[in-house]
Amino acid sequence: AQSVTQPDIHITVSEGASLELRCNYSYGATPYLFWYVQSPGQGLQLLLKYFSGDTLVQGIKGFEAEFKRSQSSFNLRKPSVHWSDAAEYFCAVGGGTASKLTFGTGTRLQVTL
Amino acid sequence: SQTIHQWPATLVQPVGSPLSLECTVEGTSNPNLYWYRQAAGRGLQLLFYSVGIGQISSEVPQNLSASRPQDRQFILSSKKLLLSDSGFYLCAWSPGLANQGEQYFGPGTRLTVT
Repeated sequence: AQSVTQPDIHITVSEGASLELRCNYSYGATPYLFWYVQSPGQGLQLLLKYFSGDTLVQGIKGFEAEFKRSQSSFNLRKPSVHWSDAAEYFCAVGGGTASKLTFGTGTRLQVTL
Repeated sequence: SQTIHQWPATLVQPVGSPLSLECTVEGTSNPNLYWYRQAAGRGLQLLFYSVGIGQISSEVPQNLSASRPQDRQFILSSKKLLLSDSGFYLCAWSPGLANQGEQYFGPGTRLTVT
């Protein structure tokens, strides 16, 4: 069965600092990997996705993620965080029947000014 | 472009009352449709998914049911709500063909069962 682990429940960074959110997955074949962001009381927005090819993928809002097969990881990064990046971030893995996604439990990002 | 709507945005219902949440998608055909529940401080739990009209798969046994009466309409229902049904309900869609798994989410419905 596929699974996703986001080991950090809550992270606090200062505005302008760099950010890395961790994601580890378990999947039997080549995974499709995703990062979503959720602002309070809202739906999820797709930040970026990895299907194949270049292991460093660029997304919206200045985010990027790197797929490392040997480590079963897909960590999300941003060089300089803005206060508006404060939200909850979900990593997901998919590729199964009806393209079901399995989500991690999320990492809540707090940005201090 | 495609858009996904959910209503109502918020709902407060007493225990034992019925429930109907609606989700519609515009700008696409034959989408896969999904219902998720997000409890406070927790991740997303897939409740139901559908690959076509009248085709519903349930992921977890529970007090809820789903229906897909039209291609782009997905309804979540309950005959009698429980306190444990409170949560944030999200509908999502993905392309039905040539699909690489990405899903697009609606704005959600906040349900409080009192």
